Amino acid sequence: GENVEQHPSTLSVQEGDSAVIKCTYSDSASNYFPWYKQELGKGPQLIIDIRSNVGEKKDQRIAVTLNKTAKHFSLHITETQPEDSAVYFCAASNEGGSTLGRLYFGRGTQLTVWP
Amino acid sequence: KAGVTQTPRYLIKTRGQQVTLSCSPISGHRSVSWYQQTPGQGLQFLFEYFSETQRNKGNFPGRFSGRQFSNSRSEMNVSTLELGDSALYLCASSLAMIAGAGDTQYFGPGTRLTVL
Repeated sequence: GENVEQHPSTLSVQEGDSAVIKCTYSDSASNYFPWYKQELGKGPQLIIDIRSNVGEKKDQRIAVTLNKTAKHFSLHITETQPEDSAVYFCAASNEGGSTLGRLYFGRGTQLTVWP
Repeated sequence: KAGVTQTPRYLIKTRGQQVTLSCSPISGHRSVSWYQQTPGQGLQFLFEYFSETQRNKGNFPGRFSGRQFSNSRSEMNVSTLELGDSALYLCASSLAMIAGAGDTQYFGPGTRLTVL
């Protein structure tokens, strides 16, 4: 099955700096890569996603890049704010494949943004 | 639209008991997936239902089961609870109208199960 590795496990940045979280996946059939933000006591919230026919996607301060050849994708957060502090998860899935409806998650990155 | 709702939010049970958790998907969503989240194992897939049929199942023992109703609401059941079943159980819904697209999953707040 798919194996998703996520680094780093913890990340501390100063407010206003950028944060980058990286993930690798093993199954070349994976074609959908969402990122989720989970705050304490809440369920994961989708913040951005990318499909394998796209190399980069941006949404205001958040961007995701995908390198299909190297099987890795990254989350970039610019101009970080204290409210960005949370656990971030990357995930991968094969939309339309035999594992339809199943997301494979990385182990998460605890991001702390210091004022 | 209202988001994914899960009930109850918190549950305390003792070993050997059984438990049923409920999930109501976003209106119009036909797929419901269940995940177990623990500090040690992270987020692990339990199973996924679409139009009342289980399409995928993760690597969990048979004590974990689920079902989906005609209105897309879903329940999961855990029988003969063990201490290791203590976890946050999350459900997610998606449109799943077309294979290869629309599989974005939206999560509920989860049910925190504690087994004593």
